[in-house]
Amino acid sequence: TQLLEQSPQFLSIQEGENLTVYCNSSSVFSSLQWYRQEPGEGPVLLVTVVTGGEVKKLKRLTFQFGDARKDSSLHITAAQPGDTGLYLCAGRQTGANNLFFGTGTRLTVIP
Amino acid sequence: EAQVTQNPRYLITVTGKKLTVTCSQNMNHEYMSWYRQDPGLGLRQIYYSMNVEVTDKGDVPEGYKVSRKEKRNFPLILESPSPNQTSLYFCASSDAPGDEKLFFGSGTQLSVL
Repeated sequence: TQLLEQSPQFLSIQEGENLTVYCNSSSVFSSLQWYRQEPGEGPVLLVTVVTGGEVKKLKRLTFQFGDARKDSSLHITAAQPGDTGLYLCAGRQTGANNLFFGTGTRLTVIP
Repeated sequence: EAQVTQNPRYLITVTGKKLTVTCSQNMNHEYMSWYRQDPGLGLRQIYYSMNVEVTDKGDVPEGYKVSRKEKRNFPLILESPSPNQTSLYFCASSDAPGDEKLFFGSGTQLSVL
């Protein structure tokens, strides 16, 4: 059973388009992180959100933590080919040492 | 340069032949962890270590062993590999297991025939 479900699993869009990736769970998390992974490399942390309703921006990327801290979204504005990669959300439950990773969204931005 | 180093990057072996994947970090991190990555399943934690001589099971520990004799090293041992352990493995470390940033190695692609 996956604790964190991401959608869509695959996404292929044209350069310049906007997109949103979702990370959903029935569990509450004390914090949620988003990572990006490129082929042949390990995931790299993009952002951590800790407060329900929190919104963080990283250039063209906007991250939101759900009010109930059960879900999160990643919105990319005017996608670029350099945004291509596997996006992973990861949540930590209160008091837990483990970080649970989502199923991943593979994004391809076509020039 | 701060990094997590895994070796080897690629490994092909046969069922039952013991192997070790090494992991070393140069950031004096207390927390280290091993994950396996399989298509459609994301990253699943195998084992983690809060500090030297302290290790604990993650979500999928069966068939794996780890040790943490030194702070910088956290090897993953497969005593008798089986084909269902064919996967992409990642070692990661962080300053603390809380909300700190996880640093990942570049991965080890293991194929068990």
